[in-house]
Amino acid sequence: EIVMTQSPATLSVSPGERATLSCRASQSVYSNLAWYQQKPGQAPRVFIYGASARATDIPARFSGSGSGTEFTLTISSLQSEDFAVYYCQQYKNWPGTFGPGTKVDFK
Amino acid sequence: EVQLLESGGGLVQPGGSLRLSCAASGFTFSTYGMTWVRQAPGKGLEWVSGISGSDGSTYYANSVKGRFTISRDVSKNTLFLQMNSLRVDDTAIYYCAKGDNYVGSWGQGTLVTVSS
Repeated sequence: EIVMTQSPATLSVSPGERATLSCRASQSVYSNLAWYQQKPGQAPRVFIYGASARATDIPARFSGSGSGTEFTLTISSLQSEDFAVYYCQQYKNWPGTFGPGTKVDFK
Repeated sequence: EVQLLESGGGLVQPGGSLRLSCAASGFTFSTYGMTWVRQAPGKGLEWVSGISGSDGSTYYANSVKGRFTISRDVSKNTLFLQMNSLRVDDTAIYYCAKGDNYVGSWGQGTLVTVSS
């Protein structure tokens, strides 16, 4: 099973600032990597798939990069609605393992 | 619009069974793989089981292998998860999800509580 790790566990950011979230896989997943956003009491929502493709209706301030074992989700200028937990997931192999999440909260 | 509506959750004693259902609409159910993902209270996401859209192959997380069975009825556009020998650590919200690689759409989830 591929193990996913994320850092930091919590990222404290002010609105308008840039946020950079990291995700690492225990072995190469090529570009088979997705990012999800989850807000309290809601189901997750896919934001990025294929490591860098934005899902439908996702704002351009969100960008994904990386391949192999190292990936990054960047939010160029945080808006109030972006404060949430973000999970990465590999889908190269089943089970499609998730990382433990990064919580983005107010500084 | 894709809609996924889970049902069948509830309170069950350790060792008991539950069958979750997920009614799908808004897409051609027979051609898509489907996944169950769960989230224990206050915890992260855990991939539980998937069924391939191409050949119907099924896959399970090690934590549920031998106890859970995923299946689907394409005539009723419904996905199932049969859960046997339930344990306290199976307590979670169970989400039905469209896709057998990344998840494009999620249901609202159904809560399964395993407790005596």
